[in-house]
Amino acid sequence: NAGVTQTPKFRILKIGQSMTLQCTQDMNHNYMYWYRQDPGMGLKLIYYSVGAGITDKGEVPNGYNVSRSTTEDFPLRLELAAPSQTSVYFCASSYSRDIFSAFFGQGTRLTVV
Amino acid sequence: AQTVTQSQPEMSVQEAETVTLSCTYDTSESNYYLFWYKQPPSRQMILVIRQEAYKQQNATENRFSVNFQKAAKSFSLKISDSQLGDTAMYFCAFMNNAGNMLTFGGGTRLMVKP
Repeated sequence: NAGVTQTPKFRILKIGQSMTLQCTQDMNHNYMYWYRQDPGMGLKLIYYSVGAGITDKGEVPNGYNVSRSTTEDFPLRLELAAPSQTSVYFCASSYSRDIFSAFFGQGTRLTVV
Repeated sequence: AQTVTQSQPEMSVQEAETVTLSCTYDTSESNYYLFWYKQPPSRQMILVIRQEAYKQQNATENRFSVNFQKAAKSFSLKISDSQLGDTAMYFCAFMNNAGNMLTFGGGTRLMVKP
């Protein structure tokens, strides 16, 4: 099925560990985003990308890194996991023109202990 | 920077009745896009309805409609004939004209009661 696919769906990390959250979309969207959603809160933008090779910081980028080597993939890397990074992470993508509505993945629930 | 405010953290409605969720935003742009997203317990974000700021006509999708007041920077969502499956978190969102920044409000938790 076409859409945005995130893996894994759940993960538990120990403090100081590293991991990469994978995100891929098959809709040929230029724009891709990573958001985090803390309990009872709205979504906050971590990083976004307007095309392959281009990334930019969002509202809460500290502790994260991204890359965009292809149009399809936009992985999010946590280098030194901290309890404050316990959250649900959403990847999203959208067209670059005309239809500005984002498609979201199903989310990754990350717990850092 | 744009901000989006949802002033109702929680709301409830009886099945088959109508409910309105409020959203206000702040921007200096003249053209932009507004959205309502639904997030059921499955956590997936589902687009409910969208509105282009340059269109004066309010968007409608089946039982969902919006009241877009550009001058007041208000974008409320009306759900008619509420159904149990409408129980979810609802997020109002703003996208800038360039399409590279999607900003969310804090959400409203809607409970539809039988």
